[in-house]
Amino acid sequence: NAGVMQNPRHLVRRRGQEARLRCSPMKGHSHVYWYRQLPEEGLKFMVYLQKENIIDESGMPKERFSAEFPKEGPSILRIQQVVRGDSAAYFCASSPRTGTNYGYTFGSGTRLTVV
Amino acid sequence: AQTVTQSQPEMSVQEAETVTLSCTYDTSESDYYLFWYKQPPSRQMILVIRQEAYKQQNATENRFSVNFQKAAKSFSLKISDSQLGDAAMYFCASLIPLSGTYKYIFGTGTRLKVLA
Repeated sequence: NAGVMQNPRHLVRRRGQEARLRCSPMKGHSHVYWYRQLPEEGLKFMVYLQKENIIDESGMPKERFSAEFPKEGPSILRIQQVVRGDSAAYFCASSPRTGTNYGYTFGSGTRLTVV
Repeated sequence: AQTVTQSQPEMSVQEAETVTLSCTYDTSESDYYLFWYKQPPSRQMILVIRQEAYKQQNATENRFSVNFQKAAKSFSLKISDSQLGDAAMYFCASLIPLSGTYKYIFGTGTRLKVLA
């Protein structure tokens, strides 16, 4: 029973390029959450998705960032025209249903480095 | 405001000794949960312990226990018989209802060093 799978584990992009981060939730989980961890900081909420729906994107920067969770395939976090300040670890978490208070299962994160 | 504060950026403990990591939080919610996560260099977020705010009894998991002081909004983690494998970043977090779901609010972390 694989956990939450994120890839790539490391991603290097030059300023102005696009970054695509992928997250496959645990089997049977239909809710996905993206968090960002800046250096020396805790994780901060970005967006909450269910299949084909964005439920809460209050933590997403207004520009250049988008997320999707299609009916088939992984959830994608897309960052267009990356800048140095986007360098961070991006974590995905999943849960079987909304409102679960047992805590979510996290992936190992994707470390994005913008050069 | 929903905040979690960890005032100790770094702590050290001798192997086999006991160490306590501090955490305070602020929330206006009555329905919330508190967590400690361990993040080793592999970056994996590992759940250490969970506490339901409505329960007065402190949670324990083997060598890990918490001191939950609800009135003071304090949630410290005690690690007994520290082992070299306990060395990691430790994050305190609250899980609170927001916008129809539950969200984590994380502290900035405490780096724990275990000395042989």
